Amino acid sequence: DVKVTQSSRYLVKRTGEKVFLECVQDMDHENMFWYRQDPGLGLRLIYFSYDVKMKEKGDIPEGYSVSREKKERFSLILESASTNQTSMYLCASGSDRGNKNIQYFGAGTRLSVL
Amino acid sequence: GQQVMQIPQYQHVQEGEDFTTYCNSSTTLSNIQWYKQRPGGHPVFLIQLVKSGEVKKQKRLTFQFGEAKKNSSLHITATQTTDVGTYFCAGPLLTMEYGNKLVFGAGTILRVKS
Repeated sequence: DVKVTQSSRYLVKRTGEKVFLECVQDMDHENMFWYRQDPGLGLRLIYFSYDVKMKEKGDIPEGYSVSREKKERFSLILESASTNQTSMYLCASGSDRGNKNIQYFGAGTRLSVL
Repeated sequence: GQQVMQIPQYQHVQEGEDFTTYCNSSTTLSNIQWYKQRPGGHPVFLIQLVKSGEVKKQKRLTFQFGEAKKNSSLHITATQTTDVGTYFCAGPLLTMEYGNKLVFGAGTILRVKS
């Protein structure tokens, strides 16, 4: 089974703090994604990566950055957390091989910014 | 840009009633996928449809892909309380040659009264 692990289920941070959300997958997938999920807004793509050190902006990249130094790990960084970044953050991975496009999600990190 | 619309946004049914959610894409899709997210959980891949007019079944769930490959539906026969959750459809972004970026519908929230 594919396993996508997010470092924290719940996180509480203060406004202005730098926040790191970590995601690790164990299936050697090339592609990794960060989404945020808010009630009524569905899944919105923040950033994705199709290879080590490669990144592409998604639909809502403002206020976020990412890092992919190793294939299995994709980090989401909030440079200076703000209250409007309180949300559920979901990491996903997928492959260009085999069943294309299928994405496997982590359990999510619920971030509260106070 | 490419959009995937999903209706209804929300449905509340009596246990034992049937349920259907519909998905419409603004563009022709190479495939369509369905995911289920239980309350408090994360999206989990259910199925992928590839062929025009394809119909697949998983126990009480029936998935259809339209002839024009622009729409899809998920039908649940005789709903049970275990069917509660949000159902998302998703299709690959046409312009992507790599990266497997998906465009998700906003989801249909299903609640089942016992």
